[in-house]
Amino acid sequence: KQEVTQIPAALSVPEGENLVLNCSFTDSAIYNLQWFRQDPGKGLTSLLLIQSSQREQTSGRLNASLDKSSGRSTLYIAASQPGDSATYLCAVNNNDMRFGAGTRLTVKP
Amino acid sequence: GAVVSQHPSRVICKSGTSVKIECRSLDFQATTMFWYRQFPKQSLMLMATSNEGSKATYEQGVEKDKFLINHASLTLSTLTVTSAHPEDSSFYICSARDPVATYGYTFGSGTRLTVV
Repeated sequence: KQEVTQIPAALSVPEGENLVLNCSFTDSAIYNLQWFRQDPGKGLTSLLLIQSSQREQTSGRLNASLDKSSGRSTLYIAASQPGDSATYLCAVNNNDMRFGAGTRLTVKP
Repeated sequence: GAVVSQHPSRVICKSGTSVKIECRSLDFQATTMFWYRQFPKQSLMLMATSNEGSKATYEQGVEKDKFLINHASLTLSTLTVTSAHPEDSSFYICSARDPVATYGYTFGSGTRLTVV
């Protein structure tokens, strides 16, 4: 059974810092990996989708990498802003999606 | 992109009553939909996979008779929480495979269920 782990569980940084969120998974036979953002009490917003054949995806200040063989992915956020404060979820697709517990990010002004 | 619409967004019900949550795929057909539950400050846990025209597949530990899933059309799946109790209070969210993004998924906006 796929297990997804996210480190750290919580992170607080001052505005402007670059930061890295980590995701690891136990079964490398995945179709893809997806990063989501969840604001308190809200649904999911898809940030980046990386197919198993890809190494990274970029969208604006976000860059996600995937090392399938080692079961790892990172989400890099450049020049963080207070509006980036949210919980970031990593989900791995082995024909259904399994989520990590998330990283709760706080960016202080 | 593909959109999944989920209703209601919030519902409060009395203990012992049943609540139905709808998940609709807009402008695309979804033969398979997925239902998740999220307790406060925890991640999303897959409850069941809803298959159009056939029985849902439930994850281990999820009560089939309590969480009734119906996927009668290619655009609608419903989750009914029967005889709800306070411990069923949670955030429920559905998803479907995104027809545009290869192997991608799109999610509904979720339903906050509170049982009093």
